[in-house]
Amino acid sequence: QSALTQPASVSGSPGQSITVSCTGTSSDVGGYNLVSWYQQHPGKAPKFIIYEVSKRPSGVSNRFSGSKSGNTASLTISGLQAEDEADYYCCSYAGNSIRVFGGGTKVTVL
Amino acid sequence: QVTLRESGPALVKPTQTLTLTCTFSGFSLSTSGMCVSWIRQPPGKALEWLALIDSADDKYYLPSLKTRLTISRDTSKNQVVLRMTNVDPVDTATYYCVRTYWNTHQEFDFWGQGSLVTISS
Repeated sequence: QSALTQPASVSGSPGQSITVSCTGTSSDVGGYNLVSWYQQHPGKAPKFIIYEVSKRPSGVSNRFSGSKSGNTASLTISGLQAEDEADYYCCSYAGNSIRVFGGGTKVTVL
Repeated sequence: QVTLRESGPALVKPTQTLTLTCTFSGFSLSTSGMCVSWIRQPPGKALEWLALIDSADDKYYLPSLKTRLTISRDTSKNQVVLRMTNVDPVDTATYYCVRTYWNTHQEFDFWGQGSLVTISS
């Protein structure tokens, strides 16, 4: 299993919307509706923000949304805020109980 | 309240065996659908899933590390242990213990604070 492909960085101004992509294959992202997303601030453990492609856990802002098309999943952050500046990771189920992460995307708020 | 905490050595010599313990509370690994994984993150790099153990005591490993990893559990103590043999400096990373509730596909919903392990002579 190879890591999922994410852009190294994405940036936006406060109030804007940005999208982080996560590209895999038909064996992982494209094969299952089991993509999740995590937010990680420096020096902290990751935080669970999206599961099953587009579901938000309780307590997660509705400014975070997820989607999928074919082998590519996406995380959209709307109404970008300074506190959203962090690293974001996607993860997909890849069959046989294997999981695979993306390489991570640094989101910068300009 | 779900919590997980990793414990283990901060420094391990190359070729030795690393043993990490995850002590958790707020859920039972005997509950159908509950899973605990180990995930690591080398300094400045991405997350990497390593291994998972589930409520049926089934175990799954990252294929590229399968020969070096062993995951086990002690349900009476609410602990999950990861052993990694023949460690190398490239195994230097923060190791996280993480819960999944598979019945609702809530993947990695709770994380420990992480345990930084340095592999060096």
